[in-house]
Amino acid sequence: GDSVTQMEGPVTLSEEAFLTINCTYTATGYPSLFWYVQYPGEGLQLLLKATKADDKGSNKGFEATYRKETTSFHLEKGSVQVSDSAVYFCALKDSSYKLIFGSGTRLLVRP
Amino acid sequence: SAVISQKPSRDICQRGTSLTIQCQVDSQVTMMFWYRQQPGQSLTLIATANQGSEATYESGFVIDKFPISRPNLTFSTLTVSNMSPEDSSIYLCSVEMGGGANVLTFGAGSRLTVL
Repeated sequence: GDSVTQMEGPVTLSEEAFLTINCTYTATGYPSLFWYVQYPGEGLQLLLKATKADDKGSNKGFEATYRKETTSFHLEKGSVQVSDSAVYFCALKDSSYKLIFGSGTRLLVRP
Repeated sequence: SAVISQKPSRDICQRGTSLTIQCQVDSQVTMMFWYRQQPGQSLTLIATANQGSEATYESGFVIDKFPISRPNLTFSTLTVSNMSPEDSSIYLCSVEMGGGANVLTFGAGSRLTVL
C-alpha cells in the first residue's frame, strides 16, 4: 500500500541555519503531497502542498518540490527561526479520501 | 478554510470509562474524519464520519470501541469506549471542504490520558 517515509528526528539547528527534512513516498497512482506542521500544544496546520510532478509548494519561507523520478518531497528552508520549532509531517493523498502521514520529524531551533 | 472546535481539549480518564469528544465546524463540510495520534507517533485514520449513516472504519478500528455520530454537516462526535491506558492519545477531528480543494483541516485535538 501507499506509504510515506521521513527522516527521523529530532533535528537540532541554530537560528539562521539551512533546513532539509527528507521525505520519500510509495504510491501506485499520482498522489498529492503535503507538509503539515504541528506547533507545541496545537493541532496540525497545512504548511504547503503540491499536486503534480515538478510542482513546488511554498509558504512562510519553506519550499518542497514534487519529484516523481525520485518519489521525494523534501522540505527546505534557507534560514530557520526559533519560531519554526515544531513537528513536521509529510503526507500523501491519492484518489481516495485517505491522508497517509509519515512518522513526523521534530525540529528544534536554538537561538 | 474551516474553523474546527474540539471539546474537551484534554481530559484524564479512569480505566473502564468512556468519553465522548465533540467536533464542531463553522461551515458545512463534505467529509469529516477522526484521527488518532499516539504518544510520539504519527497520525492514524480511525474512521470517516458519514452524515446520516454509519461511519466507515479503517482496519484495526471497530464501532464498538469507537462509536461515531454525525447528525449534520457541521458536527460529529467520537466516543472512546471502555478505555485502557493504551487509548491515551490525541484524537483529532479533520474536515475536507470539498469542491476539489483536496486539503484537510485539523482541529487542535483532544488529549486523553487514561490511568
